[in-house]
Amino acid sequence: NAGVTQTPKFQVLKTGQSMTLQCAQDMNHNSMYWYRQDPGMGLRLIYYSASEGTTDKGEVPNGYNVSRLNKREFSLRLESAAPSQTSVYFCASSGLEPEAFFGQGTRLTVV
Amino acid sequence: EDQVTQSPEALRLQEGESSSLNCSYTVSGLRGLFWYRQDPGKGPEFLFTLYSAGEEKEKERLKATLTKKESFLHITAPKPEDSATYLCAALVNTGFQKLVFGTGTRLLVSP
Repeated sequence: NAGVTQTPKFQVLKTGQSMTLQCAQDMNHNSMYWYRQDPGMGLRLIYYSASEGTTDKGEVPNGYNVSRLNKREFSLRLESAAPSQTSVYFCASSGLEPEAFFGQGTRLTVV
Repeated sequence: EDQVTQSPEALRLQEGESSSLNCSYTVSGLRGLFWYRQDPGKGPEFLFTLYSAGEEKEKERLKATLTKKESFLHITAPKPEDSATYLCAALVNTGFQKLVFGTGTRLLVSP
């Protein structure tokens, strides 16, 4: 009963490098989300996908792209990483009930 | 602008010393108020959803209440294992239902 699984758990990137954060859920949820969590700022929505085949921008989408690969998987891509993208990234999903279930997070450092 | 504010930022209690955490919100059209628990290095874990003023939910030593302006998380006779950061989030509808998070209250319960 895995819930929401994120990979990797930790990553260090150099400025300008690219990477993709992976997320998969096994709860048959329609909606999936990517958040970032920074000290003193709370969780902020980057992108979301209300259903398979759709994606939309959240509060802080600049510098990111997403792909809803299928109902289970929702990936977040950083094309050219910047130090300002150092953060902890969380993937979440929700179904018919609005409460979101979160993964364990990816701690990303951009140097 | 939708805003959620939590207080205090940090709270230290002795085991058995009851207290309350506050979550005040200013949002356009509250659809629900959520409480999450977050342990260090982990993703937020869902606790409660409240939908209308006057509603209460309980789980072990925790009780969440909701008014038209704020929510409280009451912790009765806390134990050290209740130490965590508690997040609240308002569910708002801006064309799509999204969660607006507060910055959390860090709770430390000493034996």
